Amino acid sequence: AQRVTQPEKLLSVFKGAPVELKCNYSYSGSPELFWYVQYSRQRLQLLLRHISRESIKGFTADLNKGETSFHLKKPFAQEEDSAMYYCALKRRGNEKLTFGTGTRLTIIP
Amino acid sequence: AAGVIQSPRHLIKEKRETATLKCYPIPRHDTVYWYQQGPGQDPQFLISFYEKMQSDKGSIPDRFSAQQFSDYHSELNMSSLELGDSALYFCASSPSRTSGRGDTGELFFGEGSRLTVL
Repeated sequence: AQRVTQPEKLLSVFKGAPVELKCNYSYSGSPELFWYVQYSRQRLQLLLRHISRESIKGFTADLNKGETSFHLKKPFAQEEDSAMYYCALKRRGNEKLTFGTGTRLTIIP
Repeated sequence: AAGVIQSPRHLIKEKRETATLKCYPIPRHDTVYWYQQGPGQDPQFLISFYEKMQSDKGSIPDRFSAQQFSDYHSELNMSSLELGDSALYFCASSPSRTSGRGDTGELFFGEGSRLTVL
């Protein structure tokens, strides 16, 4: 069975400082990894997926199969980045998502 | 753009009562997922439907049942409610990968229905 681990439940970072939200996964096959974000009073929404290799709102995430990690990074944090971030995994051929426990990111002005 | 709509947004029930949550997916999305998120917990997958048929099943209690109707909306029925059922219930939809409408793997979530069992 697949599993997603986000070791930090809470993370506080000063505005302008680099951000890294950790995500590790366990899955024997070839997974698809995602980061979902939930801003205050908004619905859960996709931030980025590893397949597209894109940068969204300054965030990037690289899938490291050797370390089974998919850490989310941003070089300079902004106040609007404060939110709940969930790492999620999907098995190929199966559409459901398995979520990590989430990390609440707070950007300190 | 239309999003996933869930109703009711809030629901208060007593133990042993029943509750029904409804989910209206984004138009032309034929796959619906239900997730349960307890306080301080990650969203846990309950069940999903594709083209009105159950496509996958997770940690859904036997007291719960769900179905997808011909208009693709879905209902989650919960009976003999327990205190531990208090949670935020999310519904999400996606276009099927076989539908030809896109293969992004993205799920689109509703705002959730908060169930409180007293």
